Amino acid sequence: EVQLLESGGGLVQPGGSLGLSCAASGFTFSSYAMSWVRQAPGKGLEWVSGISGSAGSTYYADSVKGRFSISRDNSKNTVYLNMNSLRGEDTAIYYCAKESVDMATIDAFDLWGQGTMVTVSS
Amino acid sequence: SYVLTQPPSVSVAPGKTARITCGGNNIGSKSVHWYQQKPGQAPVLVIYYDSDRPSGIPERFSGSNSANTATLTINRVEAGDEADYYCQVWDSSSDHVVFGGGTKLTVL
Repeated sequence: EVQLLESGGGLVQPGGSLGLSCAASGFTFSSYAMSWVRQAPGKGLEWVSGISGSAGSTYYADSVKGRFSISRDNSKNTVYLNMNSLRGEDTAIYYCAKESVDMATIDAFDLWGQGTMVTVSS
Repeated sequence: SYVLTQPPSVSVAPGKTARITCGGNNIGSKSVHWYQQKPGQAPVLVIYYDSDRPSGIPERFSGSNSANTATLTINRVEAGDEADYYCQVWDSSSDHVVFGGGTKLTVL
């Protein structure tokens, strides 16, 4: 079955760190760019970060650049998001999403995970 | 940074046609993608590359893109189409993905 399964969310204090994982199955993982997209409670979608299939290119939203780091392990079919210096405004559901076209850069997302909730609060 | 503007809400009667717009500077030069998100669920891609439909998406969903406006059109609207809809592009000048603010479609 083609699917993405996120894990690692939880409650963290401001200034703290958290790591998210997204395990992929059912497709040739290394051929597709992957992204993280978040959604604050009651708000719209916000792209956070993306990584090419080979992990040679990474991209970050201005709001997280320097604090978050994206990586992937193609041998484990998993993409990661390492989050440092967390703030209240980082509170959101974090989705991982798959690029729709193989061997392409980031464009359309044709597969999404169910998301993992990150709450930043003291 | 590139900005996409959507109306916050659109209302339509069942069986009628809904049109949701997405405005951006020269958006016609970019590829626009549309997502449907129902409460408590992850987004679903309904239109990509302006007007292509992923497998499993009804033909009632179509898209267009020209000049400064992209449009998602839903023909013969059904109650099950009630959801939030987001447009999205890749902005190559900043290497960022950009989402519109979202439009809540209400079926009357």
